[in-house]
Amino acid sequence: AAGVIQSPRHLIKEKRETATLKCYPIPRHDTVYWYQQGPGQDPQFLISFYEKMQSDKGSIPDRFSAQQFSDYHSELNMSSLELGDSALYFCASSLAPGPYEQYFGPGTRLTVT
Amino acid sequence: DAKTTQPNSMESNEEEPVHLPCNHSTISGTDYIHWYRQLPSQGPEYVIHGLTSNVNNRMASLAIAEDRKSSTLILHRATLRDAAVYYCILRPQDSWGKLQFGAGTQVVVTP
Repeated sequence: AAGVIQSPRHLIKEKRETATLKCYPIPRHDTVYWYQQGPGQDPQFLISFYEKMQSDKGSIPDRFSAQQFSDYHSELNMSSLELGDSALYFCASSLAPGPYEQYFGPGTRLTVT
Repeated sequence: DAKTTQPNSMESNEEEPVHLPCNHSTISGTDYIHWYRQLPSQGPEYVIHGLTSNVNNRMASLAIAEDRKSSTLILHRATLRDAAVYYCILRPQDSWGKLQFGAGTQVVVTP
């Protein structure tokens, strides 16, 4: 069965650079979620989209922005990167918003040097 | 938002059952109880969810207390592959669906 695809899987950037992470949800899933997991920490919700509109927002820095496109894939744009942004970034998708199962991708490991 | 409380860690022998408790004394009537797990170096994985009645699926069983202030995830026969962090998460029925991960339970399975 098709799963959530994230690219790239690994990314190394320097401080103050920008990064773009991509997420391709499971076919027919119209809801996408982004989570950040720092070293030794639990995942933290960043932002979500439903039908190409932002549906909810968590502890996402102002330096980050995201959007969902007409084909439902989503991109997380991160600017002015800081050392503290080094983390695993997970994307998840679900059939609809609400208490439905979320299916997670393998994550993108971002390292900021 | 209602919070959950789980033990930091639990240990089990392979092929024995594992009972993972979760306390959620401030749960509201429309909160679903979800369980996810995260294996090392992987994204979280859905395990099971319920509202009021006990639930079974191919991965686990979920037992919900009558007053809904606690629940227990049951892994019937632990395997080495079940070693993971297990998260108990409350999700309001009318929410946009974000998962709020708290401190889960690290399950260690010994052969």
